[in-house]
Amino acid sequence: DAGITQSPRYKITETGRQVTLMCHQTWSHSYMFWYRQDLGHGLRLIYYSAAADITDKGEVPDGYVVSRSKTENFPLTLESATRSQTSVYFCASNPIFQTGVKNIQYFGAGTRLSVL
Amino acid sequence: AQTVTQSQPEMSVQEAETVTLSCTYDTSESDYYLFWYKQPPSRQMILVIRQEAYKQQNATENRFSVNFQKAAKSFSLKISDSQLGDAAMYFCAYRSPQGGSEKLVFGKGMKLTVNP
Repeated sequence: DAGITQSPRYKITETGRQVTLMCHQTWSHSYMFWYRQDLGHGLRLIYYSAAADITDKGEVPDGYVVSRSKTENFPLTLESATRSQTSVYFCASNPIFQTGVKNIQYFGAGTRLSVL
Repeated sequence: AQTVTQSQPEMSVQEAETVTLSCTYDTSESDYYLFWYKQPPSRQMILVIRQEAYKQQNATENRFSVNFQKAAKSFSLKISDSQLGDAAMYFCAYRSPQGGSEKLVFGKGMKLTVNP
Protein backbone atom coordinates (compact mmCIF):
# COMPACT_ATOMS: atom_id res chain seq x y z
CA ASP A 1 0.00 0.00 0.00
CA ALA A 2 2.68 2.49 -1.06
CA GLY A 3 0.19 5.09 -2.30
CA ILE A 4 1.67 8.33 -3.50
CA THR A 5 5.34 9.13 -2.93
CA GLN A 6 7.17 12.40 -3.35
CA SER A 7 10.91 12.84 -3.47
CA PRO A 8 12.91 14.46 -2.13
CA ARG A 9 11.22 15.53 1.12
CA TYR A 10 13.55 18.49 1.41
CA LYS A 11 15.58 20.30 -1.22
CA ILE A 12 17.82 23.33 -1.12
CA THR A 13 18.92 24.86 -4.39
CA GLU A 14 20.30 28.09 -5.76
CA THR A 15 18.71 30.71 -7.94
CA GLY A 16 18.95 29.82 -11.60
CA ARG A 17 19.42 26.09 -11.14
CA GLN A 18 17.10 23.50 -12.58
CA VAL A 19 15.41 21.22 -10.07
CA THR A 20 12.97 18.37 -10.52
CA LEU A 21 10.51 17.17 -7.93
CA MET A 22 9.34 13.61 -8.34
CA CYS A 23 5.92 12.13 -7.78
CA HIS A 24 4.97 8.48 -8.07
CA GLN A 25 1.64 6.79 -7.38
CA THR A 26 0.90 3.09 -7.26
CA TRP A 27 -2.89 3.19 -7.72
CA SER A 28 -3.01 3.86 -11.47
CA HIS A 29 -5.12 6.94 -10.81
CA SER A 30 -5.89 8.87 -13.96
CA TYR A 31 -5.56 12.36 -12.52
CA MET A 32 -2.46 13.82 -10.98
CA PHE A 33 -1.85 17.31 -9.64
CA TRP A 34 0.86 19.61 -8.41
CA TYR A 35 0.06 22.24 -5.79
CA ARG A 36 2.22 24.71 -3.96
CA GLN A 37 1.50 25.78 -0.42
CA ASP A 38 2.49 29.21 0.81
CA LEU A 39 1.58 30.94 4.03
CA GLY A 40 -1.52 33.04 3.52
CA HIS A 41 -2.36 31.42 0.20
CA GLY A 42 -3.42 27.91 1.03
CA LEU A 43 -2.77 25.40 -1.74
CA ARG A 44 -2.69 26.65 -5.30
CA LEU A 45 -2.75 24.45 -8.37
CA ILE A 46 0.33 24.59 -10.60
CA TYR A 47 -0.37 21.89 -13.21
CA TYR A 48 -2.52 18.85 -13.54
CA SER A 49 -2.79 15.84 -15.79
CA ALA A 50 -5.88 13.86 -16.76
CA ALA A 51 -3.90 10.93 -18.19
CA ALA A 52 -0.51 10.06 -19.62
CA ASP A 53 0.61 12.65 -22.15
CA ILE A 54 -2.23 15.02 -21.20
CA THR A 55 -1.32 18.00 -19.04
CA ASP A 56 -2.86 21.40 -18.40
CA LYS A 57 -2.06 24.58 -16.55
CA GLY A 58 -3.48 25.47 -13.21
CA GLU A 59 -3.63 28.77 -11.38
CA VAL A 60 0.13 29.43 -11.05
CA PRO A 61 2.02 27.62 -13.86
CA ASP A 62 4.69 30.20 -14.72
CA GLY A 63 8.23 28.94 -14.21
CA TYR A 64 7.22 25.28 -14.03
CA VAL A 65 7.24 22.42 -16.50
CA VAL A 66 5.57 19.03 -16.17
CA SER A 67 5.51 15.81 -18.12
CA ARG A 68 3.64 12.57 -17.83
CA SER A 69 5.00 9.83 -20.02
CA LYS A 70 3.73 7.11 -17.66
CA THR A 71 0.51 7.04 -15.68
CA GLU A 72 2.29 6.54 -12.38
CA ASN A 73 4.81 9.38 -12.61
CA PHE A 74 4.30 13.13 -12.74
CA PRO A 75 7.54 15.08 -12.28
CA LEU A 76 7.57 18.84 -11.77
CA THR A 77 10.56 20.80 -13.06
CA LEU A 78 11.63 24.28 -12.16
CA GLU A 79 13.71 25.19 -15.18
CA SER A 80 15.47 28.17 -13.57
CA ALA A 81 14.59 28.38 -9.90
CA THR A 82 13.75 31.73 -8.34
CA ARG A 83 13.42 32.71 -4.69
CA SER A 84 9.69 33.19 -5.16
CA GLN A 85 9.46 29.46 -5.83
CA THR A 86 10.49 28.67 -2.27
CA SER A 87 7.49 26.75 -1.06
CA VAL A 88 6.09 23.40 -0.05
CA TYR A 89 5.01 21.36 -3.05
CA PHE A 90 2.33 18.71 -2.93
CA CYS A 91 1.56 16.08 -5.47
CA ALA A 92 -1.90 14.51 -5.49
CA SER A 93 -3.79 11.89 -7.43
CA ASN A 94 -7.45 11.19 -8.07
CA PRO A 95 -9.22 8.15 -9.51
CA ILE A 96 -11.71 8.71 -12.27
CA PHE A 97 -13.82 5.60 -12.07
CA GLN A 98 -15.53 6.38 -8.77
CA THR A 99 -18.40 8.79 -8.75
CA GLY A 100 -19.34 11.61 -6.46
CA VAL A 101 -17.59 12.24 -3.23
CA LYS A 102 -15.91 8.82 -3.37
CA ASN A 103 -13.81 10.41 -6.07
CA ILE A 104 -11.42 11.97 -3.59
CA GLN A 105 -7.95 13.32 -3.94
CA TYR A 106 -4.99 11.72 -2.20
CA PHE A 107 -1.90 13.69 -1.32
CA GLY A 108 1.77 12.94 -1.04
CA ALA A 109 3.75 14.06 2.00
CA GLY A 110 5.07 17.15 0.28
CA THR A 111 8.50 18.51 -0.69
CA ARG A 112 9.87 21.56 1.07
CA LEU A 113 11.93 23.50 -1.46
CA SER A 114 14.20 26.38 -0.53
CA VAL A 115 15.72 28.53 -3.26
CA LEU A 116 18.67 30.58 -2.01
CA ALA B 1 -14.17 30.94 -11.23
CA GLN B 2 -14.94 29.45 -7.87
CA THR B 3 -13.42 30.88 -4.73
CA VAL B 4 -13.21 29.58 -1.18
CA THR B 5 -12.84 31.85 1.83
CA GLN B 6 -11.73 30.96 5.31
CA SER B 7 -11.95 34.24 7.14
CA GLN B 8 -10.43 33.15 10.45
CA PRO B 9 -6.69 32.47 10.14
CA GLU B 10 -6.39 31.07 13.65
CA MET B 11 -8.57 29.66 16.39
CA SER B 12 -8.04 27.95 19.69
CA VAL B 13 -10.15 25.59 21.75
CA GLN B 14 -9.89 23.88 25.09
CA GLU B 15 -9.51 20.14 25.09
CA ALA B 16 -12.89 18.36 25.24
CA GLU B 17 -14.79 21.42 24.06
CA THR B 18 -16.44 22.09 20.72
CA VAL B 19 -15.16 24.39 18.02
CA THR B 20 -16.59 25.48 14.68
CA LEU B 21 -14.45 26.42 11.70
CA SER B 22 -16.08 28.60 9.08
CA CYS B 23 -15.86 28.41 5.30
CA THR B 24 -17.74 30.23 2.59
CA TYR B 25 -17.48 29.78 -1.13
CA ASP B 26 -18.62 31.40 -4.31
CA THR B 27 -19.92 29.48 -7.30
CA SER B 28 -22.55 29.68 -9.97
CA GLU B 29 -22.88 25.90 -10.17
CA SER B 30 -25.82 24.14 -8.60
CA ASP B 31 -24.05 20.89 -7.89
CA TYR B 32 -20.56 20.48 -6.52
CA TYR B 33 -18.53 18.84 -3.77
CA LEU B 34 -17.04 20.31 -0.63
CA PHE B 35 -14.25 18.96 1.51
CA TRP B 36 -12.41 19.65 4.72
CA TYR B 37 -8.77 18.60 4.85
CA LYS B 38 -6.58 18.51 7.94
CA GLN B 39 -2.85 19.16 7.82
CA PRO B 40 -0.99 18.27 11.04
CA PRO B 41 2.63 19.31 11.61
CA SER B 42 3.73 16.27 9.60
CA ARG B 43 2.43 18.17 6.52
CA GLN B 44 0.33 15.23 5.36
CA MET B 45 -3.02 16.30 3.93
CA ILE B 46 -5.76 14.18 5.47
CA LEU B 47 -9.36 14.19 4.31
CA VAL B 48 -11.64 14.88 7.27
CA ILE B 49 -15.10 15.04 5.77
CA ARG B 50 -16.88 15.59 2.46
CA GLN B 51 -20.28 16.79 1.33
CA GLU B 52 -22.24 16.61 -1.90
CA ALA B 53 -24.16 19.80 -2.56
CA TYR B 54 -27.34 18.03 -3.68
CA LYS B 55 -27.60 16.22 -0.35
CA GLN B 56 -29.44 18.24 2.25
CA GLN B 57 -28.28 16.03 5.08
CA ASN B 58 -25.14 17.28 6.75
CA ALA B 59 -22.20 14.89 6.65
CA THR B 60 -20.79 13.47 9.88
CA GLU B 61 -17.67 11.47 10.63
CA ASN B 62 -17.37 10.55 14.29
CA ARG B 63 -16.54 13.79 16.15
CA PHE B 64 -16.57 15.83 12.96
CA SER B 65 -19.70 17.23 11.38
CA VAL B 66 -20.55 19.95 8.94
CA ASN B 67 -23.20 22.61 8.77
CA PHE B 68 -23.91 22.97 5.08
CA GLN B 69 -26.03 25.97 4.15
CA LYS B 70 -26.33 25.90 0.38
CA ALA B 71 -28.26 29.13 -0.02
CA ALA B 72 -25.75 30.99 2.10
CA LYS B 73 -22.83 29.14 0.42
CA SER B 74 -21.49 28.22 3.81
CA PHE B 75 -19.74 25.01 4.84
CA SER B 76 -18.58 25.05 8.45
CA LEU B 77 -16.84 22.24 10.27
CA LYS B 78 -17.72 21.38 13.85
CA ILE B 79 -15.27 19.42 15.96
CA SER B 80 -16.80 17.99 19.11
CA ASP B 81 -14.86 16.81 22.16
CA SER B 82 -11.67 18.38 20.83
CA GLN B 83 -8.50 16.38 21.30
CA LEU B 84 -4.86 17.43 21.31
CA GLY B 85 -4.43 15.51 18.06
CA ASP B 86 -6.91 17.81 16.36
CA ALA B 87 -4.38 20.62 16.43
CA ALA B 88 -3.54 21.30 12.79
CA MET B 89 -4.15 23.50 9.78
CA TYR B 90 -7.60 22.96 8.32
CA PHE B 91 -8.42 23.64 4.71
CA CYS B 92 -11.81 23.93 3.10
CA ALA B 93 -11.94 22.90 -0.56
CA TYR B 94 -14.39 22.99 -3.46
CA ARG B 95 -14.64 20.73 -6.49
CA SER B 96 -16.75 21.16 -9.56
CA PRO B 97 -18.86 18.16 -10.58
CA GLN B 98 -18.00 18.52 -14.24
CA GLY B 99 -16.09 15.71 -15.82
CA GLY B 100 -12.48 16.64 -16.36
CA SER B 101 -12.57 19.10 -13.49
CA GLU B 102 -11.16 17.09 -10.63
CA LYS B 103 -9.23 20.13 -9.48
CA LEU B 104 -9.67 21.31 -5.93
CA VAL B 105 -9.95 24.99 -5.05
CA PHE B 106 -8.67 25.58 -1.54
CA GLY B 107 -9.23 28.24 1.04
CA LYS B 108 -6.21 29.82 2.69
CA GLY B 109 -6.48 27.58 5.71
CA MET B 110 -7.00 28.03 9.41
CA LYS B 111 -4.66 27.05 12.22
CA LEU B 112 -6.39 25.31 15.11
CA THR B 113 -4.70 25.16 18.49
CA VAL B 114 -6.01 22.79 21.16
CA ASN B 115 -5.17 23.78 24.72
CA PRO B 116 -4.89 21.10 27.41
